[in-house]
Amino acid sequence: DTEVTQTPKHLVMGMTNKKSLKCEQHMGHRAMYWYKQKAKKPPELMFVYSYEKLSINESVPSRFSPECPNSSLLNLHLHALQPEDSALYLCASSSGDRGYQPQHFGDGTRLSIL
Amino acid sequence: GQNIDQPTEMTATEGAIVQINCTYQTSGFNGLFWYQQHAGEAPTFLSYNVLDGLEEKGRFSSFLSRSKGYSYLLLKELQMKDSASYLCAVREEMMDSSYKLIFGSGTRLLVRP
Repeated sequence: DTEVTQTPKHLVMGMTNKKSLKCEQHMGHRAMYWYKQKAKKPPELMFVYSYEKLSINESVPSRFSPECPNSSLLNLHLHALQPEDSALYLCASSSGDRGYQPQHFGDGTRLSIL
Repeated sequence: GQNIDQPTEMTATEGAIVQINCTYQTSGFNGLFWYQQHAGEAPTFLSYNVLDGLEEKGRFSSFLSRSKGYSYLLLKELQMKDSASYLCAVREEMMDSSYKLIFGSGTRLLVRP
């Protein structure tokens, strides 16, 4: 079990559906991250939130829309996804302080687009 | 550009020692992390180096040479449960104290009896 909780663990959706991925942490971390990971590949950064503000958007298509309602929660809203968006979506958090502080990852949501 | 290289796969024997190398060429550098990832699970933090030299944590050690753009992860007394992917990741710090992790492609380690 990790200290970063992601729901759902699995999600199957059609290309016209709208769904949301959720991420929660109660470690008091102030930086939160979304990554996409394809099979046998490393995680690729999508978004970074720092103190509830969007800090980095790695040129992610607009069909992915992040939201940070408060310091403990991070959502990823999905709409009109493509089959190539099928992947493991990982959420991570870090303390947000300068210096050594690793990112802690959740177990991910495995997303399949039909 | 950003370039982080690791061997794709390695095989080692239970009880042995294995060294996984990582070379990097990145536009920014604020430290290097090693993560372990079992299939279907989250990456878990193993070690962090920001200064040159060796960091030791139990069976795992990590080394960094910033001038050479080189790091390695050393695993001693290998156990079957060490079979996993090992990810080298360079940290680039942002102005707001969040940071980007730029991952290498990962090394899949298979430990055999």
